[in-house]
Amino acid sequence: EIVMTQSPATLSVSLGERATLSCRASQSVNTNLAWYQHKPGQAPRLLIYGASTTVTGIPARFSASGSGTDFTLTISSLQSEDLAIYYCQQYNNWPPYTFGQGSKLEI
Amino acid sequence: EVQLVESGGGLVKPGGSLRLSCTASGFSFSLYSMNWVRQAPGKGLEWVSAIRTDSKYVYYADSVKGRFTISRDNANNSVYLQMDSLRAEDTAVYYCTRDRTAFRYWGQGSLVTVSS
Repeated sequence: EIVMTQSPATLSVSLGERATLSCRASQSVNTNLAWYQHKPGQAPRLLIYGASTTVTGIPARFSASGSGTDFTLTISSLQSEDLAIYYCQQYNNWPPYTFGQGSKLEI
Repeated sequence: EVQLVESGGGLVKPGGSLRLSCTASGFSFSLYSMNWVRQAPGKGLEWVSAIRTDSKYVYYADSVKGRFTISRDNANNSVYLQMDSLRAEDTAVYYCTRDRTAFRYWGQGSLVTVSS
C-alpha cells in the first residue's frame, strides 16, 4: 500500500498570502495524483488531477506541481472561501486508493 | 449536470447491517466505475470499495473486506454498499464517487452511526 504523507498538518495564513501544501508518497506514483478541497458539511471537491492539471472551473489561484514522490499545491493569494482541509490522493497503484491525512488551512 | 445522491444511512447497533444506495444522473452510468469513500468523525478520507462498469471486478479496503459488498444496477443507475457485521469504527459519512482515477464527482454523503 502506498502511504501518502501531507505537511503541514495545519497552516495558519493571512488572507491574500500565498499558501503552499506538500504531499509525499512512500513510492513513486508518477503523476497519478489528485488534490481535493473539503469543507465541513460539503462533499470533497476535486481541484487538480494528473499532479498539475486544474479542473475546469477551479480558480486560477490554485496550481500544483510534482511527479514521482513529491508534490505541491499552491494557492497564490488566499481568499476566505479557501479555508478548508486539503487532501492529496494517489491513483497510480490501487487498490487501495490512498489519501493523505489532510492539511488544514486556517487564519 | 452530474448528480450522485446517497441514501440508506442511519443508526445501527454493533453487529448489525445496513445498505447504502447511490442513485446517479446526468451521465451514462454504465460507462463509469463507481466507488465508496468514507470519513469517520475527526478523521480523513478513506477509500472503501470500487466496482467496475460491468460488475466483473470489485475491490475493497482491507478494513471492510469480508463484511461489505459493493454492487451496481446499470438499468437503474445505482450503486449499493451492503454493510454487514458493522463495528463502531465504521461510523462515518459515506460518499459515493465516480471514476477510476481521480474522483471527479461526489455525492453529499450519508451518515452511518454504529452504536448501542
